[in-house]
Amino acid sequence: EDQVTQSPEALRLQEGESSSLNCSYTVSGLRGLFWYRQDPGKGPEFLFTLYSAGEEKEKERLKATLTKKESFLHITAPKPEDSATYLCAVHRTGGGNKLTFGTGTQLKVEL
Amino acid sequence: NAGVTQTPKFQVLKTGQSMTLQCAQDMNHNSMYWYRQDPGMGLRLIYYSASEGTTDKGEVPNGYNVSRLNKREFSLRLESAAPSQTSVYFCASSDVGPWGYTFGSGTRLTVV
Repeated sequence: EDQVTQSPEALRLQEGESSSLNCSYTVSGLRGLFWYRQDPGKGPEFLFTLYSAGEEKEKERLKATLTKKESFLHITAPKPEDSATYLCAVHRTGGGNKLTFGTGTQLKVEL
Repeated sequence: NAGVTQTPKFQVLKTGQSMTLQCAQDMNHNSMYWYRQDPGMGLRLIYYSASEGTTDKGEVPNGYNVSRLNKREFSLRLESAAPSQTSVYFCASSDVGPWGYTFGSGTRLTVV
């Protein structure tokens, strides 16, 4: 059974204080690992897809990296508008179109 | 650009009542999905439709039915609502495969 574990559950940062969110996964044959951002009262918004170990993708202050067991979402010099819940999900070979999601990391960036 | 539209946004049901959650997408995506989101449980797949005319069960299908009405629309029906179905329901769509799901804004359902 696919498993996705995200840590920490919640993270409070000061503006400009860089940090990383972790997504550990267990899946038989990874086809893709996804990162989403979810604002309160809204649906998740797609950020990145990573396909193989060693791959990195960047968007503004966010950089996602992937190893064979985990993915990190690095947030550099965060701003209050980066406050959101960040979700990780995996797609496995032979899993049809289904994604398995983690429970998310709730990030709050304060002035 | 509407993307994925869900109706209603909020609903309160009594135990045993039925209702249908509606979802429509305007991106010409082939695949559509219904998820529920509960605190501490993450997003769990209820049903999905890989293409028009097909539907498949996800992780938590019991108590739900779906209809892929056409390429644009995918509805979720609760035949006899139970308090355990209190949740936030999200519809999503994607092109072939799950790459870059686009989610709707959700339906917050309370069953009393």
